[in-house]
Amino acid sequence: DAGVIQSPRHEVTEMGQEVTLRCKPISGHDYLFWYRQTMMRGLELLIYFNNNVPIDDSGMPEDRFSAKMPNASFSTLKIQPSEPRDSAVYFCASSSYRTEAFFGQGTRLTVV
Amino acid sequence: AQKVTQAQTEISVVEKEDVTLDCVYETRDTTYYLFWYKQPPSGELVFLIRRNSFDEQNEISGRYSWNFQKSTSSFNFTITASQVVDSAVYFCALSEVGNQGGKLIFGQGTELSVKP
Repeated sequence: DAGVIQSPRHEVTEMGQEVTLRCKPISGHDYLFWYRQTMMRGLELLIYFNNNVPIDDSGMPEDRFSAKMPNASFSTLKIQPSEPRDSAVYFCASSSYRTEAFFGQGTRLTVV
Repeated sequence: AQKVTQAQTEISVVEKEDVTLDCVYETRDTTYYLFWYKQPPSGELVFLIRRNSFDEQNEISGRYSWNFQKSTSSFNFTITASQVVDSAVYFCALSEVGNQGGKLIFGQGTELSVKP
């Protein structure tokens, strides 16, 4: 398996623009997680899905953030409109029940 | 509430030295999992180990070893004979048992620099 695949690896966008981050989990994993990493807050969970259904989105910072998982092999995290404080590395991870999480390479987002 | 504390922000050692990274956790759960992840300069997060709270046996994997002490709520990580390639940020993390293995509470990380 190729592991968790995220795209793009780097994204630079202007404030106010919509940003969409993409994730393909490991085949057979039924949990998918979105994390954000910043210097100030470290690694924090934004939202996670089980069998494509959002279970806990309490970590999503604002209504500007939304996530979807239309099928077992694809998820998106969207920010609209983006702001400079959204600049961070966004990680997607997947796991099976009670296994460790496998992380993607991350997407480094810069909002100018 | 669950919490993971890595008090050492940065550690610098010379190659071949042994180094221990500290991790202290807080949880009201009686069963839980503890993890260590490595984040090299390239940025990805690499899984190193998972430990169930019922299993307090220490573990050794090559130059890596882990000491889990429930009595002190600590899960420390030791690298023996460190190498330059060990330079990375290391994260300790906690999750509930019976929980999704990826719902993690991370510590702030310890940046390890191994100099030749």
